[in-house]
Amino acid sequence: DTAVSQTPKYLVTQMGNDKSIKCEQNLGHDTMYWYKQDSKKFLKIMFSYNNKELIINETVPNRFSPKSPDKAHLNLHINSLELGDSAVYFCASSQDRQLPNTEAFFGQGTRLTVV
Amino acid sequence: AQKVTQAQTEISVVEKEDVTLDCVYETRDTTYYLFWYKQPPSGELVFLIRRNSFDEQNEISGRYSWNFQKSTSSFNFTITASQVVDSAVYFCALSPSNFGNEKLTFGTGTRLTIIP
Repeated sequence: DTAVSQTPKYLVTQMGNDKSIKCEQNLGHDTMYWYKQDSKKFLKIMFSYNNKELIINETVPNRFSPKSPDKAHLNLHINSLELGDSAVYFCASSQDRQLPNTEAFFGQGTRLTVV
Repeated sequence: AQKVTQAQTEISVVEKEDVTLDCVYETRDTTYYLFWYKQPPSGELVFLIRRNSFDEQNEISGRYSWNFQKSTSSFNFTITASQVVDSAVYFCALSPSNFGNEKLTFGTGTRLTIIP
């Protein structure tokens, strides 16, 4: 059983397109996240959702819009893709934020390549 | 503001040697959590350890050990008798433990290569 699953694993698309990355967790966690890992392996948080509510929104272009239809899903939609959006995007989840902090479980990542 | 520094960008050691990965952090929080994650060549992020800032005891798990020293703001990771399967990028991370702000600040990672 995959705890946090992302689809697709690889995504190659042209500049200007709109694309979505889906994420689902079956751990019963209340909090989900999106992280971006650039070509230098630097990992940075983008968004955090708790019970479908946006908690953290780091400085991310408006072209990136997370959508949480329910607490088990947090999808990432990207409009008007740019070359600089090429990266690996990781979805993660963790237990209720009001409990002592626990580790985040990460998905396998989605490698997005914009050409 | 939080910051995690992993000064070692790349390390190569011969198999069976011991290796220590350094992690230095900065935070204004009085309570926080420290983590280590492993990213093998396959790309996924694998959780290794979480340490509460109140707990300064060193931890050993098999060939892995962690040395947490609050006085120097360091959380170093040692692999003894390294194996080729240990080759990966290792990330140290920090998270505040106050309510409503669970987010990990990662270091830039250390690429560890174990030479057979």
